[in-house]
Amino acid sequence: SAVISQKPSRDICQRGTSLTIQCQVDSQVTMMFWYRQQPGQSLTLIATANQGSEATYESGFVIDKFPISRPNLTFSTLTVSNMSPEDSSIYLCSVVQAMTYEQYFGPGTRLTVT
Amino acid sequence: QQPVQSPQAVILREGEDAVINCSSSKALYSVHWYRQKHGEAPVFLMILLKGGEQKGHEKISASFNEKKQQSSLYLTASQLSYSGTYFCGTASTSGTYKYIFGTGTRLKVLA
Repeated sequence: SAVISQKPSRDICQRGTSLTIQCQVDSQVTMMFWYRQQPGQSLTLIATANQGSEATYESGFVIDKFPISRPNLTFSTLTVSNMSPEDSSIYLCSVVQAMTYEQYFGPGTRLTVT
Repeated sequence: QQPVQSPQAVILREGEDAVINCSSSKALYSVHWYRQKHGEAPVFLMILLKGGEQKGHEKISASFNEKKQQSSLYLTASQLSYSGTYFCGTASTSGTYKYIFGTGTRLKVLA
């Protein structure tokens, strides 16, 4: 399994501002993803963070709103831009092990937008 | 298309059994199962890669019916620690690492 950390663990932000969330993995992984989970709901995949190239976004998510960087195989950032209260959610990064297809999640970042 | 899980919620007494189902409108290549406790991240339980495959994890096992595009999670002799929300995650293409999460099933085990 992989050990994943996220920073910050939580934040309260004002509307119109941006927040960058960091995800650090203890080993090199090829596949890294960003999910969003709204209170009491399931997880929704935002994008695949690709190392060395632009992220691949799911339907309903765009790069201008959720820019993602993946400078190497152990680190990624997700920025939530121009925030509104609807962006209040838990944001989680995950990795999938290439050989076993097992998926592991970071502890999440709880974002509240006021 | 998000997989649909049933039931949405279930309450059990310790020692009772439960079955959670995950149905997809798309053909499936593989299925993950996760348990998420309140305030925590989902924890990976198991993966089923082939149609008809069954797997076990302690007293938790699962089956995968590729033709029916369904998977089921079986919880046997439930323990208090089994309480949480269970999610299936499905992949529709061979070789994909991208999983779409199901609607979730809240399970509570009472003493």
